[in-house]
Amino acid sequence: LAKTTQPISMDSYEGQEVNITCSHNNIATNDYITWYQQFPSQGPRFIIQGYKTKVTNEVASLFIPADRKSSTLSLPRVSLSDTAVYYCLVGYRGSGNTPLVFGKGTRLSVIA
Amino acid sequence: KAGVTQTPRYLIKTRGQQVTLSCSPISGHRSVSWYQQTPGQGLQFLFEYFSETQRNKGNFPGRFSGRQFSNSRSEMNVSTLELGDSALYLCASSARTWATWGAGGQPQHFGDGTRLSIL
Repeated sequence: LAKTTQPISMDSYEGQEVNITCSHNNIATNDYITWYQQFPSQGPRFIIQGYKTKVTNEVASLFIPADRKSSTLSLPRVSLSDTAVYYCLVGYRGSGNTPLVFGKGTRLSVIA
Repeated sequence: KAGVTQTPRYLIKTRGQQVTLSCSPISGHRSVSWYQQTPGQGLQFLFEYFSETQRNKGNFPGRFSGRQFSNSRSEMNVSTLELGDSALYLCASSARTWATWGAGGQPQHFGDGTRLSIL
């Protein structure tokens, strides 16, 4: 059965770089890895998506090793407003599997 | 460009009733997916509609159903409500169905959800 695993929580001080790793052993050949950010009482907000190696946008970077069994979201110089829950999402294929599996989310607390 | 709109934002029902939730996707998006979010189970995929057809389905009982209209708007229905159905129900839209977006890099964009409380 498809499974996505992330740390439950992380703490960081303002200005530090934060790395959150997601494990996805059963990722399919053509599946992308997507990360979302969620604040209380809001829907998840798209952060970044990648397939392999490294992807960077204005808010984050995503590192994916060659075997693609894990991925790491990197948030540079976090601020208090980055306190949120972060989810990785991988599309899984195969009979009997739920097509889309979210991790349980990582609760990031940024401390002043 | 307007985002994904879900109505109502809050809803209170009693056990045994049924409920219908509505979702308007981003203009031009033809795929609409529904998720249930609870503190214990996290985000769970319910189903996806694309071009008025259900394309993918999660592991939920038949009491959960949905439909999509020709303008891509979608509704989700839950019949015979149970206490355990209390949750945040999220809708997400994307340009392509999961069968291609998973490979094609078309991420889903979420609404802010409908908070359903069952008394």
